[in-house]
Amino acid sequence: QKEVEQDPGPLSVPEGAIVSLNCTYSNSAFQYFMWYRQYSRKGPELLMYTYSSGNKEDGRFTAQVDKSSKYISLFIRDSQPSDSATYLCAMFRMDSSYKLIFGSGTRLLVRP
Amino acid sequence: DTGVSQDPRHKITKRGQNVTFRCDPISEHNRLYWYRQTLGQGPEFLTYFQNEAQLEKSRLLSDRFSAERPKGSFSTLEIQRTEQGDSAMYLCASSSGLAVYNEQFFGPGTRLTVL
Repeated sequence: QKEVEQDPGPLSVPEGAIVSLNCTYSNSAFQYFMWYRQYSRKGPELLMYTYSSGNKEDGRFTAQVDKSSKYISLFIRDSQPSDSATYLCAMFRMDSSYKLIFGSGTRLLVRP
Repeated sequence: DTGVSQDPRHKITKRGQNVTFRCDPISEHNRLYWYRQTLGQGPEFLTYFQNEAQLEKSRLLSDRFSAERPKGSFSTLEIQRTEQGDSAMYLCASSSGLAVYNEQFFGPGTRLTVL
């Protein structure tokens, strides 16, 4: 079983829809939770990060972490065609390397 | 461009050949990571450098793989006797270590195809 599970999609929504992306994880030692966006043939870029449990909002994006359920979410409001990409959840422990453990990514398509 | 750069962007090789990839991190970033990403999967950690010291290697990094970061600047990843299973995108990332959340900045990757 993978440490981080993520539905691969694809997820297709009309422009303006609210998008919900989710991940579950098994290691309770994870402390930082990140969402990366990856366009085709590009490297991932950080969208948001959250420390421990709680919510964080940045413009149209909201990240939620529920450590008791080992469940994290990313919500995108008023989705745009430019949001079409693969969204990767990632997390790390504050150990010596801070290496990221990624989910498999969810491919999102926002239709005009 | 002051981001992470990787060279080459694409590499096609025959099984059994050796290949070497280069990563130039963001200037003054002391942490450098290599990840491997296969189609439909998220990146998987391969190895980590702090300055010139290689501090962690994944079990994924077999004896055919070697990475270096001389002088704590650029890094190279070499794969000897390539196999078809090595076909993947190899991503390099760097971070300054100053932010507690350790934001890692990724390069565009090197796409390796082993025929």
